[in-house]
Amino acid sequence: AQSVTQPDIHITVSEGASLELRCNYSYGATPYLFWYVQSPGQGLQLLLKYFSGDTLVQGIKGFEAEFKRSQSSFNLRKPSVHWSDAAEYFCAVGGLYTDKLIFGTGTRLQVFP
Amino acid sequence: GAVVSQHPSRVICKSGTSVKIECRSLDFQATTMFWYRQFPKQSLMLMATSNEGSKATYEQGVEKDKFLINHASLTLSTLTVTSAHPEDSSFYICSARRGGRPDTDTQYFGPGTRLTVL
Repeated sequence: AQSVTQPDIHITVSEGASLELRCNYSYGATPYLFWYVQSPGQGLQLLLKYFSGDTLVQGIKGFEAEFKRSQSSFNLRKPSVHWSDAAEYFCAVGGLYTDKLIFGTGTRLQVFP
Repeated sequence: GAVVSQHPSRVICKSGTSVKIECRSLDFQATTMFWYRQFPKQSLMLMATSNEGSKATYEQGVEKDKFLINHASLTLSTLTVTSAHPEDSSFYICSARRGGRPDTDTQYFGPGTRLTVL
């Protein structure tokens, strides 16, 4: 079965602290992996994506993610969180021959000053 | 660039009525548009994929006659929820993509429409 699991529903960090959001996937073909961020009233914005090549992917806003095939994971990281990073984060998986993206249930990030 | 809008952002209707939601790509032409549904605390579920000028392709379990999708131009797709019932209450999100390749062409998402059926 194809699925994405984001085990953390809600994470709270202090501003300036490091962040890691977990994502595990199950997919029958070569996966394309994505991280999106959703702020209230805004559409989902693509942070980064992995298709092939270097397994450490750099994205916008200082985020990076590492693809680990052996662990079926694609965790999102940021070394120093800013208050403006507070939002909902979604991991998604897709494939080359399909338009369908399968999303996780999201992780809500709260940032304390 | 790559902005997608939805209208309305929020709609409340009576059971049995029909509601139309618009999705527009404001600064690019969208070959393909997608409609998703999101339940509270759940993930986005793809409902259908539409290509301009073609009939939409619906995901398994999505009623074609209930959720009518029209993609009449390269910048506009509409979702009409016909004879809406309370169980259709949800958050509907559209996305748009310039080209036809999932690997090189990013989906850009709209802000969503909250539908409440009384």
